[in-house]
Amino acid sequence: GDSVTQMEGPVTLSEEAFLTINCTYTATGYPSLFWYVQYPGEGLQLLLKATKADDKGSNKGFEATYRKETTSFHLEKGSVQVSDSAVYFCALSDPGAGSYQLTFGKGTKLSVIP
Amino acid sequence: EPEVTQTPSHQVTQMGQEVILRCVPISNHLYFYWYRQILGQKVEFLVSFYNNEISEKSEIFDDQFSVERPDGSNFTLKIRSTKLEDSAMYFCATYEGGIQETQYFGPGTRLLVL
Repeated sequence: GDSVTQMEGPVTLSEEAFLTINCTYTATGYPSLFWYVQYPGEGLQLLLKATKADDKGSNKGFEATYRKETTSFHLEKGSVQVSDSAVYFCALSDPGAGSYQLTFGKGTKLSVIP
Repeated sequence: EPEVTQTPSHQVTQMGQEVILRCVPISNHLYFYWYRQILGQKVEFLVSFYNNEISEKSEIFDDQFSVERPDGSNFTLKIRSTKLEDSAMYFCATYEGGIQETQYFGPGTRLLVL
């Protein structure tokens, strides 16, 4: 079945540091890929998405590129802020296989210190 | 901005008791989902609901679970006889339909079974 693997956390960075959170996937079809973010005490919010190979999703300074050849969707940000402290989830859906359910990775907790 | 709401935010119950978790979807959304996250583990898909019936369900969603839209607005998840291992955060998500594929999540209900 479909699966998502993302790097283990927690990740602690200083403000303005560069962020990469790795995500790789396994899917039977041609999935859509997502990054969701969960701020403390809140639900999951869509951060960005990409629906086909070589698409780049971007939002709030975060970017991720859909790499079919490496089955990856790594999240990057050039300069993190304290307000970026949250848990980040990589996820996929496989609408081509008739399924819109999301399959999630385990989540990576990011802490940004001033 | 429209949002998905869930009640209660926290629920403590005794093993063997029935619980009902409630979700109010975004008003024009057509697809509804329940996910759960056991502490420290992945967010897992439970069930999807469309046009007043279950469209997909996971292995977790056994006979102890049921979903319904009793009044055309609320979307509920019932656990008939709770077990210790049902302790988790339960998320409702809704999706408008069409090509956007974005699921909007509620803040979750934290269920603790004693």
